[in-house]
Amino acid sequence: EAQVTQNPRYLITVTGKKLTVTCSQNMNHEYMSWYRQDPGLGLRQIYYSMNVEVTDKGDVPEGYKVSRKEKRNFPLILESPSPNQTSLYFCASRPKLRGLTNEKLFFGSGTQLSVL
Amino acid sequence: AQTVTQSQPEMSVQEAETVTLSCTYDTSESDYYLFWYKQPPSRQMILVIRQEAYKQQNATENRFSVNFQKAAKSFSLKISDSQLGDAAMYFCAYKGNNAGGTSYGKLTFGQGTILTVHP
Repeated sequence: EAQVTQNPRYLITVTGKKLTVTCSQNMNHEYMSWYRQDPGLGLRQIYYSMNVEVTDKGDVPEGYKVSRKEKRNFPLILESPSPNQTSLYFCASRPKLRGLTNEKLFFGSGTQLSVL
Repeated sequence: AQTVTQSQPEMSVQEAETVTLSCTYDTSESDYYLFWYKQPPSRQMILVIRQEAYKQQNATENRFSVNFQKAAKSFSLKISDSQLGDAAMYFCAYKGNNAGGTSYGKLTFGQGTILTVHP
């Protein structure tokens, strides 16, 4: 089954304790990205990657890191989490091919992160 | 920068009735896509409908249709014959299609509209 797998689904941590949220897709998609969802703000892009070893900042990259060493994986790293990073996080992917039929983001099931 | 605005934080509709969710956007790009995504309580993001800016004809998917007004930069979603399963948060989203443009590859979302369906 074609899917984007995020782990964990829920995470509670404390300020300053490094954490990684994993994201993996099995559709051979070139493009992957991370979003955070906050009430009243919708989803905002954190980082994206157009292909292996190619990553770039989105709208809210501060406090986050990413890497794209393999095509299928795109982990999100919080080196020193703070309470303002408490949010719902989504990983998403899509193929590089253009055209309306390919314009669909495949989303993971989300990670609810609480930083105390 | 592109922005997407959903001015209705919450909407409600009676089962079997029709409801329209509003969305406006701001862009200087000429080639782009617009989307509506549905997020039920399960948090899953589900693509409802998509529209290419160059297509004059409004997109439709079963009970879901859009009213795309390019000059007004408006992209509203109409849900006909509303069902209990339509209850969800709905997000409008924009994506530029100019390779090398600042929004290429990125989906810009609105704030979301919570839709309640009353039996």
